[in-house]
Parts: sequence; structure tokens; C-alpha cells
Amino acid sequence: DTAVSQTPKYLVTQMGNDKSIKCEQNLGHDTMYWYKQDSKKFLKIMFSYNNKELIINETVPNRFSPKSPDKAHLNLHINSLELGDSAVYFCASSQEVRGTSEQYFGPGTRLTVT
Amino acid sequence: AQSVAQPEDQVNVAEGNPLTVKCTYSVSGNPYLFWYVQYPNRGLQFLLKYITGDNLVKGSYGFEAEFNKSQTSFHLKKPSALVSDSALYFCAVRVSMDSNYQLIWGAGTKLIIKP
Repeated sequence: DTAVSQTPKYLVTQMGNDKSIKCEQNLGHDTMYWYKQDSKKFLKIMFSYNNKELIINETVPNRFSPKSPDKAHLNLHINSLELGDSAVYFCASSQEVRGTSEQYFGPGTRLTVT
Repeated sequence: AQSVAQPEDQVNVAEGNPLTVKCTYSVSGNPYLFWYVQYPNRGLQFLLKYITGDNLVKGSYGFEAEFNKSQTSFHLKKPSALVSDSALYFCAVRVSMDSNYQLIWGAGTKLIIKP
């Protein structure tokens, strides 16, 4: 039974398109995250939600819009995709927002923009 | 500035030998430190963490890490490496920004265990 799941696993699309990535966790955690991992494997946080409330919003283009319909789901919508958006996007969750508990990661969504 | 560094891009170890993957940090206040592992085409998996208490922390898959406050280090270790330990290892430290907490991540160290 997958703890943190993401769909789709792969996403290939053209520049200018709009796409969404979905994330669900069945761990009962309060906090969820979106990370971007670039081609050099650098990992950077994009957003953090706690109980459906946006907590962290890093310097991310406003073409990226997260949405949390409930605390078990955190989706990521991306408008007007650009070549530089190509990366692997990871969703993660943790029990609490204070950063002392471990994060559980989804399998990632590899986004390729052509 | 708060930061975490993994000085080695890659570490090569022969199977059966001890391994060390290095991590140093710079944070204000008490450090909360983590190690994660990423296998190819997978998400990151938690290995261990230091919050408080004993400086030697034991984690998953036989890994341990030693917190050294004076050297601001949190090196990952294993007494006897396995080929299956080959993966990408990330060190992370919790930081406080604008009254919120987040992890900042090292650049990752690729660990290669040779048979």
C-alpha cells in the first residue's frame, strides 16, 4: 500500500501547455511538500502545506500553482510550460510542520518539456 | 547564511570496507540533521536523523551517523559496505525562515560500492 503516490509518473508535453501533477498520501500526515530535482540532482523545495494551508512558497514562478483540497492531497498545476521546467517533481509528506519528523517521498514525476 | 555541504560528489568504496559520506552544516541555533538515500528512478528514503541526545545515531540498513558539534559535521558511516548501498545520498538540515521550518539539502553524494 503506497504511502505517498504521484500521478503521472512521466509527463512529456510541449512548451506553452498546461499540466497538472497529483499527489496523495495515506499516512495521515498534516504537512505536504513539492520539491523540484533538476538534472544535476539538486533538490529544492517549492511549496509546503500544513492542513491545507500554504506555509512555504519559495521563489517559484507564479505559473506554478499548488492546490490542497484536503490534507491528504496536494496537487501541482503548471501553466505555460517552459523548457526550463523539465525536471523531476517530488511530493512528500511529514507528520508535522516543525521539521523534526522525517519526510516520506513519492516516486516522482519526470516532466519533459519539448 | 544557513547551509549544508557535501564536499564529495562521489565516493568509491570496495565491498566489505567501511564507508563514510561527509556532511557539514551551518545553522543558527540547534541543528536538526537528516540523511536520505535515493536509488535510481526512485524517491528519497529517510535513513536517520539527529535531533538531540547521543551523538551517534543509528538508522536503517546498518547506517549510522556521528554528530560533531565542534566540527559542525554529521558524517554518514557504515562498517561494511554492500554493493546494494550504491545510491545517491543527501544530507539535510532544518532551518527556520520567516517563522516557518524547512529543510535545506546538500548537493548529494554518489556512493559507488565495487564488488
